[in-house]
Amino acid sequence: EDQVTQSPEALRLQEGESSSLNCSYTVSGLRGLFWYRQDPGKGPEFLFTLYSAGEEKEKERLKATLTKKESFLHITAPKPEDSATYLCAVNSGNTPLVFGKGTRLSVIA
Amino acid sequence: DTAVSQTPKYLVTQMGNDKSIKCEQNLGHDTMYWYKQDSKKFLKIMFSYNNKELIINETVPNRFSPKSPDKAHLNLHINSLELGDSAVYFCASSHQGTGYGYTFGSGTRLTVV
Repeated sequence: EDQVTQSPEALRLQEGESSSLNCSYTVSGLRGLFWYRQDPGKGPEFLFTLYSAGEEKEKERLKATLTKKESFLHITAPKPEDSATYLCAVNSGNTPLVFGKGTRLSVIA
Repeated sequence: DTAVSQTPKYLVTQMGNDKSIKCEQNLGHDTMYWYKQDSKKFLKIMFSYNNKELIINETVPNRFSPKSPDKAHLNLHINSLELGDSAVYFCASSHQGTGYGYTFGSGTRLTVV
């Protein structure tokens, strides 16, 4: 059974204070690892897909990396508008995405 | 145009009632899903539905039944609602196959009183 564990559960940063979110996974044959952002009252919004160890993707202040056991979402010089819950999910075979419980990020001005 | 739309956005109902949530996608995707997000924000798959195959999560009570009139629509019907059914329900869609991201709707907040 695919499993995804995210840490920390909650993270509070000062504006400009860079940090990383962790996603550890156990899956039989990774087909893709996904990062989503979810704002209150909205559905998850797709950020990145990573397919193989060593892969990296960037979008504005966010950078996602992947190893064989975990993924990191690095946030560089965050702004208050980066405050959201960040969700990690994995896909193996034809099974639906399995999500972690998310990291709730708060960026304080 | 909204890619994945759900109605209603909010649903308040009494225990024992039967209710439906509707979902439509205009992305041309061939697979649709229902996820349940509990009070701790944990997203859990309930169903995935391709034109030809319905995959049921074993932990979902049989009071929940998905119905798909065509590949652009996937509705969720819930019988005999219970207090524990209160949650946010998300519809999503994707292309079938490996490694495709899902597009989510904005959710339906169901409150059973």
